[in-house]
Amino acid sequence: QVQLQQWGAGLLKPSETLSLTCAVYGGPFSGNFWSWIRQPPGKGLEWIGEIKHGEGANYNPSLKSRVTISEDTSNNQFSLKLTSVTAADTAVYYCARQRDDIWGRGTLVTVSS
Amino acid sequence: QAVVTQEPSLTVSPGGTVTLTCGSSTGTVTRHHYPYWFQQKPGQAPRTLIYDIRKKHSWTPARFSGSLLGDKAALTLSGAQPEDEADYYCLLSYNGAYVFGTGTKVIVL
Repeated sequence: QVQLQQWGAGLLKPSETLSLTCAVYGGPFSGNFWSWIRQPPGKGLEWIGEIKHGEGANYNPSLKSRVTISEDTSNNQFSLKLTSVTAADTAVYYCARQRDDIWGRGTLVTVSS
Repeated sequence: QAVVTQEPSLTVSPGGTVTLTCGSSTGTVTRHHYPYWFQQKPGQAPRTLIYDIRKKHSWTPARFSGSLLGDKAALTLSGAQPEDEADYYCLLSYNGAYVFGTGTKVIVL
């Protein structure tokens, strides 16, 4: 059974870089799309992007200038970096294999001075 | 960026049927948008109910079904149960970049 474990800093100041990592356990990393999705408090879901080994990454156009999703296949991990954060980036961030209903537990990231 | 629109709120009686829709600002939703439907209950992570228009997971109750209806994607709940009260989001692909819908709150009352 595939499980995702995610971690990263939960409190950032404006202009800092958000960095989260998601580890894949119990199943293959290659051959699958791995996503990042976020949800601001009390609001809807926002798709950030996804990566697949050998095919690169796709990003939400509205975030593309600030987002990088990368992979570490040797450790079965993928990561999210979001630069120049503001209060509007405060959200619960999920890593996921969205097609297969596999989700991390979510990380609340708060941006506050 | 495309805007994906859903009904803000729908109410259904227990045992009743309700259809949620998912429209795209770019025009007709087709199989090339690979529509997804997610269910989210308060305080929980989303669950993937349906993908590729109508494909289900083993956990997806049979009372949920996906389709293309007119120019939109649709999720039909037939025989609503109290536990179906939740937020529902669709997700559409635009050449590999996805956009979530605005979400529908389904009330079973």
